[in-house]
Amino acid sequence: SQQGEEDPQALSIQEGENATMNCSYKTSINNLQWYRQNSGRGLVHLILIRSNEREKHSGRLRVTLDTSKKSSSLLITASRAADTASYFCATGIYSGAGSYQLTFGKGTKLSVIP
Amino acid sequence: DGGITQSPKYLFRKEGQNVTLSCEQNLNHDAMYWYRQDPGQGLRLIYYSQIVNDFQKGDIAEGYSVSREKKESFPLTVTSAQKNPTAFYLCASSWQGTNEKLFFGSGTQLSVL
Repeated sequence: SQQGEEDPQALSIQEGENATMNCSYKTSINNLQWYRQNSGRGLVHLILIRSNEREKHSGRLRVTLDTSKKSSSLLITASRAADTASYFCATGIYSGAGSYQLTFGKGTKLSVIP
Repeated sequence: DGGITQSPKYLFRKEGQNVTLSCEQNLNHDAMYWYRQDPGQGLRLIYYSQIVNDFQKGDIAEGYSVSREKKESFPLTVTSAQKNPTAFYLCASSWQGTNEKLFFGSGTQLSVL
């Protein structure tokens, strides 16, 4: 079953603008990850934020996590045409016997127009 | 050059045929995973393996089979029992214990003739 739901499903912006994507989930999590996928390719890990963290930065990426609202956002600042891709959130939960379950959302398709 | 290699990139299956997708990694990762991705959808877990000679079913294992005879290899067989096999298949791996971050291959697109 899919845990994370991204919003919007598609986003089109001009180069240089900021892009914000949101992810909502239903049950308590241990961490949340964001991945990027270029068309027809595999996913690339971008950033992981733990449930006790509120914000993380990596280069032009800023991720926030609000566990009370069960939501996360990914902000890409000063977007470039090369940022055009689909972005997925994935919620991570540790269950019994130390096993870890990662569940992906359906993604936001970002188009950055030069 | 370390990474995960999936082959072939494109694969066609005839009715009633079993096909096998290859996944090899040289990252020395313990855990390996197979995901299915349909157009406009997220990834759904088919099978995963945390150690050699052991694997577990994911959310959509019916019609698929796997083996893990070597640490580096985790092939996926799409059997004739899988009635809707057309999809993009992604293999991933991670370190055991701190297996939170996944490393993905470049995928195999499977289509039915």
